[in-house]
Amino acid sequence: ETGVTQSPTHLIKTRGQQVTLRCSSQSGHNTVSWYQQALGQGPQFIFQYYREEENGRGNFPPRFSGLQFPNYSSELNVNALELDDSALYLCASSGAHTSGRTPTGELFFGEGSRLTVL
Amino acid sequence: DAKTTQPPSMDCAEGRAANLPCNHSTISGNEYVYWYRQIHSQGPQYIIHGLKNNETNEMASLIITEDRKSSTLILPHATLRDTAVYYCIASLYNQGGKLIFGQGTELSVKP
Repeated sequence: ETGVTQSPTHLIKTRGQQVTLRCSSQSGHNTVSWYQQALGQGPQFIFQYYREEENGRGNFPPRFSGLQFPNYSSELNVNALELDDSALYLCASSGAHTSGRTPTGELFFGEGSRLTVL
Repeated sequence: DAKTTQPPSMDCAEGRAANLPCNHSTISGNEYVYWYRQIHSQGPQYIIHGLKNNETNEMASLIITEDRKSSTLILPHATLRDTAVYYCIASLYNQGGKLIFGQGTELSVKP
C-alpha cells in the first residue's frame, strides 16, 4: 500500500461530457503528478503540481486541467471528453513537505481511475 | 530525459534470478536510472534507483555499467508474484513526478 488513494475507481462517460478525478497523496508529500495509461501502453505524464501550482506539463491539450489543494490532495479535470480519453488515470505523489527537499523521482502511485468514454 | 530500450518480454523460472536489461546509451551524467514495475491492473510500484554505483534493497539489485550506458535489474529469487511489466527510466533526480515511461519488459515467472 502506497497511501495514495484515488476516486472513483471506475466510471463511464459519454463524448462531450466532463469528468473530475480525485487523488489524496501520501502523508508528507507535497508533489502530485497525473498520468494517463492507455491499454497496452506505458503511463504518459500529463502534469505535475508542486505546492499548489502546475510545475511541468506533458503533451496534453488544455482541456486537461488540474488543481492541488492546501492539504496536497489533487483533482484532474477533463473537459469535452473524446473516445481516445478512455484510459487508466494514475496519480502519484512524491517529495517531503516539511524538509523542503526537491521532489525526487521516487513516486508512489495510486491504483488509478479507469475511465471509459462511450 | 534519455531514451531507454528494453526487450519487450522475458521468461524466468520460479526461484531463479531474473535479470532484466536496459540500454540508456544517451544518458547524461546527472540522470539517474529508475526501475518501476506494474502488476496487472495496479499502479506502478517503485523498485530501486541509482546513479553510478550498484544498489541493493529488499526488492532487487541494480547493476549499472561503468560507462553508464546500460543497467540490469536483478530479482534474486523470482516468484510468481513478480510477474509484471518492468520499466527502466532515466531521469534527473529532481524531476519530481515527470518520469517518461517506455513500453517496458513484460516478465513472466513460470512454475
